[in-house]
Amino acid sequence: QKEVEQDPGPLSVPEGAIVSLNCTYSNSAFQYFMWYRQYSRKGPELLMYTYSSGNKEDGRFTAQVDKSSKYISLFIRDSQPSDSATYLCAMTGASGGSYIPTFGRGTSLIVHP
Amino acid sequence: NAGVTQTPKFRVLKTGQSMTLLCAQDMNHEYMYWYRQDPGMGLRLIHYSVGEGTTAKGEVPDGYNVSRLKKQNFLLGLESAAPSQTSVYFCASSWRGASQETQYFGPGTRLLVL
Repeated sequence: QKEVEQDPGPLSVPEGAIVSLNCTYSNSAFQYFMWYRQYSRKGPELLMYTYSSGNKEDGRFTAQVDKSSKYISLFIRDSQPSDSATYLCAMTGASGGSYIPTFGRGTSLIVHP
Repeated sequence: NAGVTQTPKFRVLKTGQSMTLLCAQDMNHEYMYWYRQDPGMGLRLIHYSVGEGTTAKGEVPDGYNVSRLKKQNFLLGLESAAPSQTSVYFCASSWRGASQETQYFGPGTRLLVL
């Protein structure tokens, strides 16, 4: 079992829908949780960053962390065709002093007009 | 600032050939990373560096070597390319460990090994 599990999709939704993207993990040492967005044929770029449990909101995007369930989510409100991309979760912790992140496999999101 | 740049953008190799991928960053970042990305596999860390003159193995280091002779450059070498190394290679950099700072990724190098 991989340390970080993420459904690859694709997830196809109509424009305006609320999108929920999720990752589960097994390493309880993870404390820092990130979501990256990757457009086709481009490098990933950081979208959201959260420390420990709780919610963080940025415009149409909300990142949620539930450490008790080892589950993180990214919600996208009022989704737009421009949100079509692959979303990768990543997480890291203080295990052995290493902060090298562990990535999920990414979820492909398609928002159709 | 150019951020993170990678050279070349695309390359075709024959089995057994060698090549070097160059990553450069102009953000004075300490940490640099090389990943490969394959369909359904996500990003897998090949090697990384926590500072000039240092390198360390990641999750899939076999068949690759790296060097960090200058702080701004991180080179990934394939001594004898194999078809299994066909992939998209991404370089990234960060100021310190990724928990404190975001990773900045380059645009990628697409490598096809025949």
